[in-house]
Amino acid sequence: EAQVTQNPRYLITVTGKKLTVTCSQNMNHEYMSWYRQDPGLGLRQIYYSMNVEVTDKGDVPEGYKVSRKEKRNFPLILESPSPNQTSLYFCASSLDRELYEQYFGPGTRLTVT
Amino acid sequence: GDSVTQMEGPVTLSEEAFLTINCTYTATGYPSLFWYVQYPGEGLQLLLKATKADDKGSNKGFEATYRKETTSFHLEKGSVQVSDSAVYFCAVFSGGYNKLIFGAGTRLAVHP
Repeated sequence: EAQVTQNPRYLITVTGKKLTVTCSQNMNHEYMSWYRQDPGLGLRQIYYSMNVEVTDKGDVPEGYKVSRKEKRNFPLILESPSPNQTSLYFCASSLDRELYEQYFGPGTRLTVT
Repeated sequence: GDSVTQMEGPVTLSEEAFLTINCTYTATGYPSLFWYVQYPGEGLQLLLKATKADDKGSNKGFEATYRKETTSFHLEKGSVQVSDSAVYFCAVFSGGYNKLIFGAGTRLAVHP
């Protein structure tokens, strides 16, 4: 089954404790992206990757890091989480640069206290 | 910059009612337009899309027509069901920024 998986689905952590949210897709997609979803703001892009070893900032990259060492994986790293990073996070992938249809993971709900 | 504006929710309807969710966009050129749906506890799924002016996207009884002259892509369904309860996102593909730009989302609640 073609899918994007994320782990964990739920995470409660404390300020400053480094964490990683994993994302993996099995569709051989080149393009992958991370979004955060906040009430009234829709989805905002954090980082994206056009291919292996190629990443770039989205609209709200501050406080986040990513890496793309393999085509299928695109982890999101929070080196020192803060309460304003409490949000619902989605990973997405797409076949090519045109981005006409993105496939989304189920989401990771992160709470930073 | 490019942007999308959706009508605010929540929208509350009775089963079999007619649905319209308004969406307007600001973008240069002729961007592709999309509606995504998010069911409770799930990620977003593509509902329908239109890639050029006057195109009509349709899926699962939902329709939206690409109106270049009014820069709109309103979502409609003639008879909603309880199972349509979800959050609906309008999006535009920005060629200038090479990414999808989403509206804030509209929550739809359908009651029996």
